[in-house]
Amino acid sequence: DAGVTQSPTHLIKTRGQHVTLRCSPISGHKSVSWYQQVLGQGPQFIFQYYEKEERGRGNFPDRFSARQFPNYSSELNVNALLLGDSALYLCASGLAGGPYPGELFFGEGSRLTVL
Amino acid sequence: SQQGEEDPQALSIQEGENATMNCSYKTSINNLQWYRQNSGRGLVHLILIRSNEREKHSGRLRVTLDTSKKSSSLLITASRAADTASYFCAYNNNDMRFGAGTRLTVKP
Repeated sequence: DAGVTQSPTHLIKTRGQHVTLRCSPISGHKSVSWYQQVLGQGPQFIFQYYEKEERGRGNFPDRFSARQFPNYSSELNVNALLLGDSALYLCASGLAGGPYPGELFFGEGSRLTVL
Repeated sequence: SQQGEEDPQALSIQEGENATMNCSYKTSINNLQWYRQNSGRGLVHLILIRSNEREKHSGRLRVTLDTSKKSSSLLITASRAADTASYFCAYNNNDMRFGAGTRLTVKP
């Protein structure tokens, strides 16, 4: 069975641009979470979606938005990119959503560089 | 900001030795999980311990949980060079929050 897939794997943008990152969860998983990982730090929670509804939001500005589609895939959008947005963006899927998520299955990430 | 704190931040040991990593957290939890990350890759789930459990084993891994102290530890026994990676604890607080991680280096 395919694991969590993310695209693109690497991308370079300039300040002020917009980026869309995509994630396909494991078949049967209805929960998708997004994390930002800056080099040398742990993953920071951005969003959780479950059954196509936002169930959690981390401490990120409104420039960050996401959605989940009927097939449970998800997109993370970041507008007006800043240099500080350079990071590895991780998507994770799981069976459960809400306050008590179980095991998370991660994709390999999308590495974003903002110049 | 990170929600959990791992200790130590970095650990270097010889192959065959045991590695112990600690995690502290700040809120009540339903479960606590440990993950492993090879450099620049996605995270891999290692073990989950529920709040009503005190100890759990999986192969060479042993996890303990002390909810009164809001802390957990991960023990890797008989370490191997392939165990070199970053290890993160994660706990749920309406969503899954991760600590800053312990970078483990196992020298052959």
